[in-house]
Amino acid sequence: QSALTQPPSASGSPGQSVTFSCTGTSSDIGGYNYVSWYQQHPGKAPKLMIYGVNKRPSGVPDRFSGSKSGSTASLTVSGLQAEDEADYYCASYGGNNNYVFGTGTKVTVL
Amino acid sequence: QVQLVQSGAEVREPGASMKVSCKASGYTFTDYYIHWVRQAPGQGLEWMGRIYPNTAGTDYAQKFQGRVTVTRDTSISTAYMELNNLRPDDTAVYYCARGHNYAYDYWGQGTLVTVSS
Repeated sequence: QSALTQPPSASGSPGQSVTFSCTGTSSDIGGYNYVSWYQQHPGKAPKLMIYGVNKRPSGVPDRFSGSKSGSTASLTVSGLQAEDEADYYCASYGGNNNYVFGTGTKVTVL
Repeated sequence: QVQLVQSGAEVREPGASMKVSCKASGYTFTDYYIHWVRQAPGQGLEWMGRIYPNTAGTDYAQKFQGRVTVTRDTSISTAYMELNNLRPDDTAVYYCARGHNYAYDYWGQGTLVTVSS
């Protein structure tokens, strides 16, 4: 199972929105509505931000939203804040009891 | 509150084995999968495998088949991940995470394993 493809970096000014993608195949993202997104600050464990393509766990700000079209998922962070600067990883169920992560996107708040 | 607490850092020589533990609390251990994910220095996340504590059923990423074994001890709500025949490129932080709705909703603090002679 190959890693999902994410852009290495994305950036935006405070208050702006940033959207970045996560591209897979019909065997993973395209085949299931089981895309999740994780935020990881340096030296910390990842934190679940979105599951089931567009669902937010309790406690995650509604500034974070997810979507999917075909085999590409996207995460949008609206109203960027300094604390949003982190690495973001997508993940998907890949069928046959396998799971796959994305390559990661480093978000910089300018 | 849900917590996953992992064992401490390890240093191993090439060819040796490692075993990391993950103790769960704050929920019914047998009701949720435990997944294992690793992250090499400066690299991304990589799924290794999972166990369903209720049945001990396991699934592994093809890359690690034959080299990884995930087990559990329900009496102490603890999952274990053993990786054999270690290589220097197995140097990584290893995480356990609880599986829910095909996502990982709670994570352990991570265990750094260094493979070096």
